[in-house]
Amino acid sequence: DAGVTQSPTHLIKTRGQQVTLRCSPISGHKSVSWYQQVLGQGPQFIFQYYEKEERGRGNFPDRFSARQFPNYSSELNVNALLLGDSALYLCASSVLGGQGNSPLHFGNGTRLTVT
Amino acid sequence: KQEVTQIPAALSVPEGENLVLNCSFTDSAIYNLQWFRQDPGKGLTSLLLIQSSQREQTSGRLNASLDKSSGRSTLYIAASQPGDSATYLCAVISGNTPLVFGKGTRLSVIA
Repeated sequence: DAGVTQSPTHLIKTRGQQVTLRCSPISGHKSVSWYQQVLGQGPQFIFQYYEKEERGRGNFPDRFSARQFPNYSSELNVNALLLGDSALYLCASSVLGGQGNSPLHFGNGTRLTVT
Repeated sequence: KQEVTQIPAALSVPEGENLVLNCSFTDSAIYNLQWFRQDPGKGLTSLLLIQSSQREQTSGRLNASLDKSSGRSTLYIAASQPGDSATYLCAVISGNTPLVFGKGTRLSVIA
């Protein structure tokens, strides 16, 4: 079975540009979450979507947005990129969103470098 | 606000040694706790999930325990191998919040 797939794997952008990251969840999983992991830190929550609706949003500026499509795949968009947005962006899927006995399964991430 | 702390930040052990990684959290009202493994530059691999009503979970050489009342969890790795070298992350879910992660413990197992 395919796991969580993310694209692209690596990306280099310039300050002020916009970027779109993509995620396909495990088949049958209806919840997708996005996390940002800066080097040496644990992942920080950005968004959660369940059944195409936003269920949670972390402490990130409005430059960050996301959506979930009818096939449960998801996109994360970041506008007006800053150097501090350089990080590993992780997508996770789960059946119900991670509560109770519904573990999160993570993809390999997209490494974004902003120059 | 839930905060998760992992001690030590880094650990180096000889092959074959048994070891314990520690995780503590400030809000004991959790739904579950997950331990993950992360190889350099890679995503997270789920190792064990402990529900709030459970005390421990085992998978192969790994054993995770949970003491919810004291806000602590430990990950025990038996007979460590060089292939166990990675960063180990602890994360909890409480209330309507998503996973909150610690900063991880970077483990090196020396052959």
